This record gives sequence, structure tokens and C-alpha cells, in this order.
Amino acid sequence: NAGVMQNPRHLVRRRGQEARLRCSPMKGHSHVYWYRQLPEEGLKFMVYLQKENIIDESGMQKERFSAEFPKEGPSILRIQQVVRGDSAAYFCASSPGAGFFQPQHFGDGTRLSIL
Amino acid sequence: GQQLNQSPQSMFIQEGEDVSMNCTSSSIFNTWLWYKQDPGEGPVLLIALYKAGELTSNGRLTAQFGITRKDSFLNISASIPSDVGIYFCAGQNSGAGSYQLTFGKGTKLSVIP
Repeated sequence: NAGVMQNPRHLVRRRGQEARLRCSPMKGHSHVYWYRQLPEEGLKFMVYLQKENIIDESGMQKERFSAEFPKEGPSILRIQQVVRGDSAAYFCASSPGAGFFQPQHFGDGTRLSIL
Repeated sequence: GQQLNQSPQSMFIQEGEDVSMNCTSSSIFNTWLWYKQDPGEGPVLLIALYKAGELTSNGRLTAQFGITRKDSFLNISASIPSDVGIYFCAGQNSGAGSYQLTFGKGTKLSVIP
């Protein structure tokens, strides 16, 4: 499967714990985007990364959320001190580059549930 | 921030009928995309539009990029049961420094066999 791979598919955490979500982009893609989706809603942009760089984190609450895309390995979205409102589906997308004719392709998401 | 209004919110149609849905924005985009999402899965890209006025087809799907750059529509001809799902429009301003997608709230399509 050469698609965007996300894991885990489902994650349950108690309030106050940390959640780590992983995303491996499609082969040959060096641009990664994270989005969040609440039930019955569209996806909302959180952060855009290239290898080792955060390009745009304007959609992310920085107090508890952080993201990285290291030189080697998957991109990680980290949520510290989770609260009930963090329950959502988190989707990762990747593209080969930026700009025109570089559409984003999505993984199947991580469903995060906070107890 | 930018907002996309997608309509209708949901629709029920008979198998074989044609479907039309649209998306309007309060501001301009230079790229429009249409995605389909099935339950428990991620959005799958259907059509990407890069030029105002552009009309693009993908099988039974046809989408257009509005001349004003503030709207787009998607048509599905001769619907079949596997067309069931949620269709999302998304706008993007490529070249503006970031490439985030702004999504509509989706059109939920149900096809009655």
C-alpha cells in the first residue's frame, strides 16, 4: 500500500495524558499536513510541515499541541494534557511538493477518544 | 477566516439520477478540490481544478471552477449505490506561503436502489 499511513487507527486516552499520532506520507512526498475533524463537520487545518521544518502552524493551539517531521521517520502530532474537547478524528495528508498541481492525499485518520 | 458554504447539506436520490452540489466562498481561491469520504476512512481526491472557468471530468463526475473564483460545483451523472458518502469541497490558495485546505461541511449523499 503506497498510500498515506496513519497509526494508530484508534486511540483512547484519559484526561491529562499525552497522545501521539503518527503519519507516514506517500512515497516520494515530502510535505505533510495535519487536519482535525469533528463529527458532522469538515476538516480543519492544523499544521503544515516539510522535512525538519514547520512551515505553517496557524491552525494549531500551541500550548498543548506540537508537530514534527524529522529527517528520518514519520511525522508526529503530539497532544499533551488531553482534554475531552480533543476527541476528534485527526487526518494527515501529504503532497509531493507545494503549489499548483500538487494535490493533498489523505490517510484514513486516527480516532482519538478522551475518557 | 475564510469560510466555505456547501449545499445541499444532504440529499436522497434514486439510483440512476443525476446529482448536483455546490460550494461558495466569501473569498477567492486559486485552487478548488472535491473529495469523497466514506465512514471510517479518509477523504479521497476526486477532482482538482486550477483555473477559473475550468471544467474537468473524472468518469461520471464533472466539476467546474467558477469564473469569480468564489465557487465550484460537482455533478454526478447516473448515480449508483457506491456513490453513497460525504462529498467535501476544499479551497486552496497555492503560492500564498501556506497550502492549507479550507473545507466545506460536506454534502451527505444517499442513493436509493
